[in-house]
Order: sequence, then structure tokens, then C-alpha cells
Amino acid sequence: AQKITQTQPGMFVQEKEAVTLDCTYDTSDQSYGLFWYKQPSSGEMIFLIYQGSYDEQNATEGRYSLNFQKARKSANLVISASQLGDSAMYFCAMSPTNDYKLSFGAGTTVTVRA
Amino acid sequence: DAGITQSPRYKITETGRQVTLMCHQTWSHSYMFWYRQDLGHGLRLIYYSAAADITDKGEVPDGYVVSRSKTENFPLTLESATRSQTSVYFCASSESNLIAVYGYTFGSGTRLTVV
Repeated sequence: AQKITQTQPGMFVQEKEAVTLDCTYDTSDQSYGLFWYKQPSSGEMIFLIYQGSYDEQNATEGRYSLNFQKARKSANLVISASQLGDSAMYFCAMSPTNDYKLSFGAGTTVTVRA
Repeated sequence: DAGITQSPRYKITETGRQVTLMCHQTWSHSYMFWYRQDLGHGLRLIYYSAAADITDKGEVPDGYVVSRSKTENFPLTLESATRSQTSVYFCASSESNLIAVYGYTFGSGTRLTVV
């Protein structure tokens, strides 16, 4: 079974600054994918970024980047140049590529201040 | 419309009643999932399906039943609703060769209240 840990229940960040959301995971699988999702107050789940366990480069997607440290089992999300619209709950998730069952962390609430 | 649709969006039911939450996807994705979201727990997997007629338990399956007779539909049934099943339920779908680009696609959720 996989375990995803997000230790920051809530964070405040100033507009235009960068913020790093921590995520660690525990798995015995060798091949897996790591995901970050955004859940705004409206409730929908928005896919942000994906990192494969065998990808050598860190994933980037616009203002989102994933700092992947495989040996430390860490997959932190960096949001650069924060915007007010980034205020939301952010979930780290992981699935092994042998069954695709996606497991989630408890989430981190980000509040962007003007 | 293309996508993944959940119905109803909101449901209030009484303890002991059977209730079915519907999920329909138009992409013919192989994988479908049901999650529940509760404060402090993130999303927890209830059941998943790798293809039509193939289902398996997730982390919190007790009190729930699923079926998948057609690829596009994956209903979730609460056999005898309890107050502890008050939650927001999300359906999701994915296809293995699309995961890296699109991730898992989620429905809009069903907010279920058991009174």
C-alpha cells in the first residue's frame, strides 16, 4: 500500500512570490507516477502536473514545477509567481503503474495574499 | 457533452436507505474509480475498475457496492446508508497511455448527506 504525507495543512503566500508544497511518499513499487491536483473552493479536481518515477528531469508545467527527489521519496510542488487564483487546496497523489490505483495525501491549503 | 458526469450533484437521504450515485464517462477510458473526500483525509479510494466487469476494492469499501457492465458507466451503491457515509464522492477515469498528459480526470462530485 502507498502512503502519501503532506505535512503542511495550511500556508500563506504573498502574491507574486513562490511557494513550495511538501510531499513525501512511501511505496515498495519501482515504477509509479506522482501527481499534483488543485481543488479550488468550487470543489472540482484540477490536474496540474505529473512525474514518472523513471523520468530523469523534473516535470514543469507553466508556473508549476515538481521537485522530484527519488532517493528521499519526495515530490514537492513549486508554484512560482503566485496569483490570487492559486488560493486552493493542493493534493499530492501517487499511483503504481501496475494497477493505477491513485492514493492521495491529506492536502495543503494555500492562501495567496494581495 | 464529452467528459465525466456524476449525478446527482446533491443528495440527502435517510439512514438505512439504499442510494446509488451515477458516473458516466464518454472517453471509453479503461480505468474508473470512486473516491470519498472527508476533511483531514484527502480523497480515499472506495472501489476501482480496470475494465468492464472487473472491479476491486480500494481503501474504504465497506458499505458500498459497485458494478461495471458497460465501459462508460460505473455506479456506486450505498446498500444501507449510515451517517458516517456523509461525504463528497468523486468519480474519476483514466487511460494508461494518457495519464502522463491528462492525469486522472474527475467528475464534479456528489455531495451526499445521510440524516
